[in-house]
Amino acid sequence: KQEVTQIPAALSVPEGENLVLNCSFTDSAIYNLQWFRQDPGKGLTSLLLIQSSQREQTSGRLNASLDKSSGRSTLYIAASQPGDSATYLCAVYPGNTGKLIFGQGTTLQVKP
Amino acid sequence: DTAVSQTPKYLVTQMGNDKSIKCEQNLGHDTMYWYKQDSKKFLKIMFSYNNKELIINETVPNRFSPKSPDKAHLNLHINSLELGDSAVYFCASSREGRAFFGQGTRLTVV
Repeated sequence: KQEVTQIPAALSVPEGENLVLNCSFTDSAIYNLQWFRQDPGKGLTSLLLIQSSQREQTSGRLNASLDKSSGRSTLYIAASQPGDSATYLCAVYPGNTGKLIFGQGTTLQVKP
Repeated sequence: DTAVSQTPKYLVTQMGNDKSIKCEQNLGHDTMYWYKQDSKKFLKIMFSYNNKELIINETVPNRFSPKSPDKAHLNLHINSLELGDSAVYFCASSREGRAFFGQGTRLTVV
């Protein structure tokens, strides 16, 4: 049974710091992995999607990596800003119209 | 245009009532989902439909009944609402695992 874990559960950093959020999964048989952002009281916004054959994806100040064999993904945020404050969720997709399985999320606070 | 839209955004109702949440996607995706987000923000799958057919039902009580009249719509009907049903319900659609979520429906049962 696939389980997804995100560490840390919460993180508070001063503005301008580079930071890494971690996501681990127990079953390496995934089709892709997706990182989402959720603002309080809002829906989920997709940030980056990494296919199982890829090692990383980049979008602006965000870089996501995937090491399928070790069951790990990281989301790197460069030069953090207060506007980055949100909950970040990772989800793995097994393929074959299966369900996305989510981690518990990391709540990030970037202080001015 | 909103890719995945849910209505209503907020729903406050008394125990025992029956309510429905509607979801529509304009992305042409074949797969749609209902997820429940509890007070600890954990997202748990409830149902998944592919081409209007139910393919995942994650031990959800029979009081919850999804209906997909066509590929673009997946509605959720809940009978005999209980206090424990209070949560945020998210609809999503996907193609090959790339998922798009609605804004959520915050259900409060009093």
